[in-house]
Amino acid sequence: EVQLVESGGGLIQRGGSLRLSCAASGFIVSNNYMSWVRQAPGKGLEWVSVIYSVGNTYYADSVKGRFTISRDNSKNTLYLQMNSLRAEDTAVYYCAREADYGDYRFDYWGQGALVTVSS
Amino acid sequence: QSVLTQPPSVSGAPGQRVTISCTGSSSNLGAGYDVHWYQQLPGTAPKLLIFGNSNRPSGVPDRFSGSKSGTSASLAISGLQAEDEADYYCQSYDSSLSHLYVFGTGTKVTVL
Repeated sequence: EVQLVESGGGLIQRGGSLRLSCAASGFIVSNNYMSWVRQAPGKGLEWVSVIYSVGNTYYADSVKGRFTISRDNSKNTLYLQMNSLRAEDTAVYYCAREADYGDYRFDYWGQGALVTVSS
Repeated sequence: QSVLTQPPSVSGAPGQRVTISCTGSSSNLGAGYDVHWYQQLPGTAPKLLIFGNSNRPSGVPDRFSGSKSGTSASLAISGLQAEDEADYYCQSYDSSLSHLYVFGTGTKVTVL
């Protein structure tokens, strides 16, 4: 059974750093395209970042230069390092698996990790 | 900043049919990229509802259907049920430099 479990969320001061983890089971993270998607309180979904199976990484303009996506193949875990956090980064962060290469659909999602940036 | 536009809300009585539109542009839906739909129940993660414009994953009732034409797509819910009350998002891919995966603005479906 495919499962994604996020951790690492919490309350952090503006300008601080936080690292989110997404532990996967039931499939191999490095064989899939994996994304982070966030949702600000009461708002819609916003794609944040993706890491391809070959290792290419891409980011939304809103986080480029501040966030870094990575994975640890030995732990089958996806990460999101978030630096220089701003109030507008406050959101629930979901990790999501892309169903197939170039498919662009997310077939499995984690339960989400809440990140609150205080000013 | 969403590049796919949806109506903020739609509503219907139990048993009725409602539709949700999703309007994109020439760099996403108009470029031939498929649209996918997600249902998000309150306090939960999104769930894939429709993929590849009109396909339902296993377990999704056939009351849900999708279509796409040009730069627009739509999700239809027929035989509306109380448990369909949720937020719905369309999603696709965008070939412009500043966007990759794009979501719609989201639509709240209310069952009257």
